[in-house]
Amino acid sequence: DTGVSQDPRHKITKRGQNVTFRCDPISEHNRLYWYRQTLGQGPEFLTYFQNEAQLEKSRLLSDRFSAERPKGSFSTLEIQRTEQGDSAMYLCASSSRDKRAGANVLTFGAGSRLTVL
Amino acid sequence: GENVEQHPSTLSVQEGDSAVIKCTYSDSASNYFPWYKQELGKRPQLIIDIRSNVGEKKDQRIAVTLNKTAKHFSLHITETQPEDSAVYFCAAFDPQRGTYKYIFGTGTRLKVLA
Repeated sequence: DTGVSQDPRHKITKRGQNVTFRCDPISEHNRLYWYRQTLGQGPEFLTYFQNEAQLEKSRLLSDRFSAERPKGSFSTLEIQRTEQGDSAMYLCASSSRDKRAGANVLTFGAGSRLTVL
Repeated sequence: GENVEQHPSTLSVQEGDSAVIKCTYSDSASNYFPWYKQELGKRPQLIIDIRSNVGEKKDQRIAVTLNKTAKHFSLHITETQPEDSAVYFCAAFDPQRGTYKYIFGTGTRLKVLA
């Protein structure tokens, strides 16, 4: 397990299409986060899972966005009917409350860059 | 909810000088404060963190200080080198109401001039 993996790394799509991103967290991490980052800005919180339960969604997450974490392992983030304003880097991160795993240390994936034409 | 403000947005220093980046947070319940370095096109990488039960932590040329009363924390980089050039983000970990959000500052672009 070399860290948090995200796929695809880059996605170019036309406005109105649906896209799905996948995140595989560090295996012993029970918390998984999705953030969005635009150029020159800090990561903005989108949603968070503890195991398979989605515990919080940001107001930034419109009803076109949906995230799942079946079985508490990998997660998917789907954007329906994409808009040009959705163009951003979508970062996944994971953490654990277990002190042996570095309690609360957040580890990021390399991100999935979305470009909506 | 938590709000994190970060200053300055850009910082240029001569190689060998020190750099200081400051952040303030709003929620006194926040108890963990990491700093991330992000190079162009790469993922944010944790460089140092501090928990609310300590006031200062140091790791070689990097140190972080925390003032819980004033609700601010700072990153100090000494003897800066060109490879320190990157964007730095502070964050506050907000455990209120059973959710565990990390709220990030807007970033500081550090340029170390050779």
